[in-house]
Amino acid sequence: GAVVSQHPSRVICKSGTSVKIECRSLDFQATTMFWYRQFPKKSLMLMATSNEGSKATYEQGVEKDKFLINHASLTLSTLTVTSAHPEDSSFYICSARGFSGQPQHFGDGTRLSIL
Amino acid sequence: QQQVKQSPQSLIVQKGGISIINCAYENTAFDYFPWYQQFPGKGPALLIAIRPDVSEKKEGRFTISFNKSAKQFSLHIMDSQPGDSATYFCAASTGQAGTALIFGKGTTLSVSS
Repeated sequence: GAVVSQHPSRVICKSGTSVKIECRSLDFQATTMFWYRQFPKKSLMLMATSNEGSKATYEQGVEKDKFLINHASLTLSTLTVTSAHPEDSSFYICSARGFSGQPQHFGDGTRLSIL
Repeated sequence: QQQVKQSPQSLIVQKGGISIINCAYENTAFDYFPWYQQFPGKGPALLIAIRPDVSEKKEGRFTISFNKSAKQFSLHIMDSQPGDSATYFCAASTGQAGTALIFGKGTTLSVSS
């Protein structure tokens, strides 16, 4: 089956640090990747949608200068949390899909803890 | 975002029983309805999905029932096992390229042995 790899799985860093999370589709070309944020015992909240080679589309209320998304190739998207603060601590999950009509496959998430 | 309403929030079922989780949607343009299973500390895994041209889809112990006129769909887990204990999310999308899934709030299922 389709595999999406997310790295790192866990990050602990100091306030003010910028953190980069990678999302890779290992066995298919991901024309579209999505980034979600999940709070404990809550549902997934869509942050942004990125199509390969295009600027990401951010959901209302998500700061694009805070959460930088790059989707430079058909197998890799990155989310950079800039100048992270404790309120940015969360579980960040990416998903990827191939062409229209194909299902989304999710990575195993990144637990970000900002001290 | 268009809503997808999921119930119940939590569910306790005895081993061997049937687990039923329900979802309702508003946007009639939705044409793809997946269910995801998530274990703690992991990303959601696609369990089963249905499109509105069929009323039921079965894969092993998992069945989706779909009622287009009522704008509702449900997940049935037959012969529930302790290993099924997880959080289940229904979702919906229009299926167009680049369209994100809209998730329900999730149901935490506990199967007691």
